[in-house]
Amino acid sequence: DAGVIQSPRHEVTEMGQEVTLRCKPISGHNSLFWYRQTMMRGLELLIYFNNNVPIDDSGMPEDRFSAKMPNASFSTLKIQPSEPRDSAVYFCASSLSGQGNTEAFFGQGTRLTVV
Amino acid sequence: KNQVEQSPQSLIILEGKNCTLQCNYTVSPFSNLRWYKQDTGRGPVSLTIMTFSENTKSNGRYTATLDADTKQSSLHITASQLSDSASYICVVSARNNAGNMLTFGGGTRLMVKP
Repeated sequence: DAGVIQSPRHEVTEMGQEVTLRCKPISGHNSLFWYRQTMMRGLELLIYFNNNVPIDDSGMPEDRFSAKMPNASFSTLKIQPSEPRDSAVYFCASSLSGQGNTEAFFGQGTRLTVV
Repeated sequence: KNQVEQSPQSLIILEGKNCTLQCNYTVSPFSNLRWYKQDTGRGPVSLTIMTFSENTKSNGRYTATLDADTKQSSLHITASQLSDSASYICVVSARNNAGNMLTFGGGTRLMVKP
């Protein structure tokens, strides 16, 4: 398996534009996480899906952020409209939930810069 | 609220020296604790996993400890190498009806200098 695949790797956009980040989890994994990482705040959980259903979205900063998981092999994180303070590295991770000692496998991340 | 706190925030050591990173957590119900290593520009990768019944676990030059009573864990790095320069993140898993919920610490940024 190629691991968790995120695209794009880098995104530079102007303030006010819509940004869509994509994630393909590891095949067979049933949990998917979106994280945001900044120097100031470290890794923050944005939203967590289990079996394609959002379980906890309390970390989503505001209504400008939305996430979907239409099927087990694909998820998107959308920011509309984007703002400079959204600049960060966004990580997607997947795991096989339900077993005792699950490990979250992370993608390479998408570095978002909003200017 | 589930929380994971790590110390120090950053650390600089000379190559060949040892160091210890700390992790305190308030997560329940506790399932397991993992230490992740995150190299610059990459996603975190798991180093070790500790379950409730385990006190110590080693992975090469990395040794993790867990005290479930005091809810503390440490990661000890022996004979540090330049390649150990990275962020080390403590992640505690809580068990809920939907599976395992992960709570991340803020990480310790380690720099090993020659």
